[in-house]
Amino acid sequence: NAGVTQTPKFQVLKTGQSMTLQCAQDMNHEYMSWYRQDPGMGLRLIHYSVGAGITDQGEVPNGYNVSRSTTEDFPLRLLSAAPSQTSVYFCASSYGGGNEQFFGPGTRLTVL
Amino acid sequence: KQEVTQIPAALSVPEGENLVLNCSFTDSAIYNLQWFRQDPGKGLTSLLLIQSSQREQTSGRLNASLDKSSGRSTLYIAASQPGDSATYLCAVRYGGSQGNLIFGKGTKLSVKP
Repeated sequence: NAGVTQTPKFQVLKTGQSMTLQCAQDMNHEYMSWYRQDPGMGLRLIHYSVGAGITDQGEVPNGYNVSRSTTEDFPLRLLSAAPSQTSVYFCASSYGGGNEQFFGPGTRLTVL
Repeated sequence: KQEVTQIPAALSVPEGENLVLNCSFTDSAIYNLQWFRQDPGKGLTSLLLIQSSQREQTSGRLNASLDKSSGRSTLYIAASQPGDSATYLCAVRYGGSQGNLIFGKGTKLSVKP
């Protein structure tokens, strides 16, 4: 199993550009989520999904959009990038929300 | 507000020492607690998951304990090795199986040869 994969590993955007961070898992996990990690702030939940077709907001959802059309994929869309969205983004998955979470390797995003 | 605190923020020990990392949480009504390891520039690796009904979990040289009444969890690392050097994160889940994980800011551990 590849586990949780994320692409790209690194990305530089200009303010106002849009992009999609990709996340995929091959473990047939129902629960997937997106976090951002900032220095001194810890990890914060952006959006999560409990299954295909179901998504919900986390702690810091503004400026981000998600959809879940398949069990395997959970892309995160930045609608209009802002410097405040410079961060490292992690995708995670588990069999259920309360079970052991598995994390991807992260995407380091810089918005100029 | 539900908060998770990890003290100290950084710890340096000589190789071979047994050590304890601390995690405290403000609300004792947790669903479960998970310890992670994060190497520089990498993702998080799950170490141990403790359900609210459990007191401890063990994996190899690692032992995690949970005391809900005092709002504390500890991660015990036996016979530390330089390869244990990493940042250790504690995360608490509230609100049942669909609740969100609240992360601490981590303890950066350095084990000197």
